[in-house]
Amino acid sequence: QKEVEQDPGPLSVPEGAIVSLNCTYSNSAFQYFMWYRQYSRKGPELLMYTYSSGNKEDGRFTAQVDKSSKYISLFIRDSQPSDSATYLCAMGAGGAQKLVFGQGTRLTINP
Amino acid sequence: DAGVIQSPRHEVTEMGQEVTLRCKPISGHDYLFWYRQTMMRGLELLIYFNNNVPIDDSGMPEDRFSAKMPNASFSTLKIQPSEPRDSAVYFCASSLGGSGGVGTQYFGPGTRLLVL
Repeated sequence: QKEVEQDPGPLSVPEGAIVSLNCTYSNSAFQYFMWYRQYSRKGPELLMYTYSSGNKEDGRFTAQVDKSSKYISLFIRDSQPSDSATYLCAMGAGGAQKLVFGQGTRLTINP
Repeated sequence: DAGVIQSPRHEVTEMGQEVTLRCKPISGHDYLFWYRQTMMRGLELLIYFNNNVPIDDSGMPEDRFSAKMPNASFSTLKIQPSEPRDSAVYFCASSLGGSGGVGTQYFGPGTRLLVL
């Protein structure tokens, strides 16, 4: 079993829809949770960074962490065609700088 | 800052040849990571360095792969001899390690490697 599981999709939704992306993990030592966005033929770039459990909101994006269930989510409101990309969850434990990435979910927002 | 710089951006080579990928991290960052990304396996960490010293190379697939970081502004990933299954996009990333937390990793544009 992988440490981090993420449905690779692809996921296709109409413009304006609410998108929900999810990851589950098995390592209870993870405390730092990130979402990276990767456009086609580009490197991943950080989108959201959360520590421990709870919610974090940034514009149309909301990241949720439920450590009791080992489950994290990214919500995108009022989705736009420019949100079309691959979204990767990533996790790390305190004291070590390395991250474990999910497989990535390929998202397409249709105009 | 120019961000993480990788070269070459594309590499096509024949099986058995040596391949060298290069990376210049963001100035001031003390961690450098090498990743490989494929459709089947996603983004995999190969090796990472702290202050030019390799910390964890458990992701390096086999002895054909080697990485060096001779100074704070340059790292190489070498594959010798290359095989078709090494075809992938190789990313370099750098970060600034904080006290206790996990630093944000900044990725380069990647090197797209095709081994024929």
